[in-house]
Amino acid sequence: QVQLVQSGAEVKKPGASVKVSCKASGYTFTSYYINWVRQAPGQGLEWMGIINPRDGNTDSTQKFQGRVSMTRDTSTSTLYMELSILRSEDTAVYYCAREGLGSGSLSIWGQGTLVTVSS
Amino acid sequence: EIVLTQSPGTLSLSPGERATLSCRASQSVSSDYLVWYQQKPGQAPRLLIYGASSRATGIPDRFSGSGSGTDFTLTISRLEPEDFAVYYCQQYGSSPRTFGQGTTLEIK
Repeated sequence: QVQLVQSGAEVKKPGASVKVSCKASGYTFTSYYINWVRQAPGQGLEWMGIINPRDGNTDSTQKFQGRVSMTRDTSTSTLYMELSILRSEDTAVYYCAREGLGSGSLSIWGQGTLVTVSS
Repeated sequence: EIVLTQSPGTLSLSPGERATLSCRASQSVSSDYLVWYQQKPGQAPRLLIYGASSRATGIPDRFSGSGSGTDFTLTISRLEPEDFAVYYCQQYGSSPRTFGQGTTLEIK
C-alpha cells in the first residue's frame, strides 16, 4: 500500500542541525510532490516547503529559507528535510505528506517525527 | 502570503447536531486550491475535502464543503462521536501554501 515512513524522534541542542527522512513506498516515487509540514506542541499546522522528487526542485516558505534543505534519493525512494541552526522554537512534530496526482491536496501523510531542541 | 482565518476557534456541540466551520482568506483563493483536513490527537492530519467541495476517498457524506473567493465552509451534517477533532483549512494556490489556525470541535 502507499505509505510514507519517517525516521525516529530526535533530541538536538540549540545551534545544531537535524535531518528527518521519509521513505516512500507503494507508488511511483518521482510522480508525486512531497510537502513538509510541522506542528509545534499544542499548535496548528505550519507549511514548510515542497520538493519535486523527479528533478529535486524545491520551494519553501521565506521563514525557513537559508535554514531548510529538502533533498531526495531516487535510488532508495527517500526524501530528506534538514533544518539547521536549531532553536527551541523548532521543537515540533515534522511531517512529510504526499500530494495527489495533479493536486496539491495532501492525501498521504507520514507518521510524523518529533524533534526536540533543548540544551 | 495568504492568511486563512478559521472561526470559531472552538465549537462545542453534541452528537447528532450540525457543525458549521468557517475559513476566511485574506485574498481570493481559487476553489480548486482550498482543502480541509481533520486531525485527532496523536495522529497525522487526514484529508477530508479538496477543491473546496469534493470529498476525499472514504470520507462520509455527512461532510461537505462549500464556498468561493475568500469565504469557505465545512459542514458536518450530523455529528458522530468520531468527528470531534481539530479541523484545518489550507490553500495551495499561491506560495507559500498556508493553513488556517484550526477549529477545535469538542463534545458539549
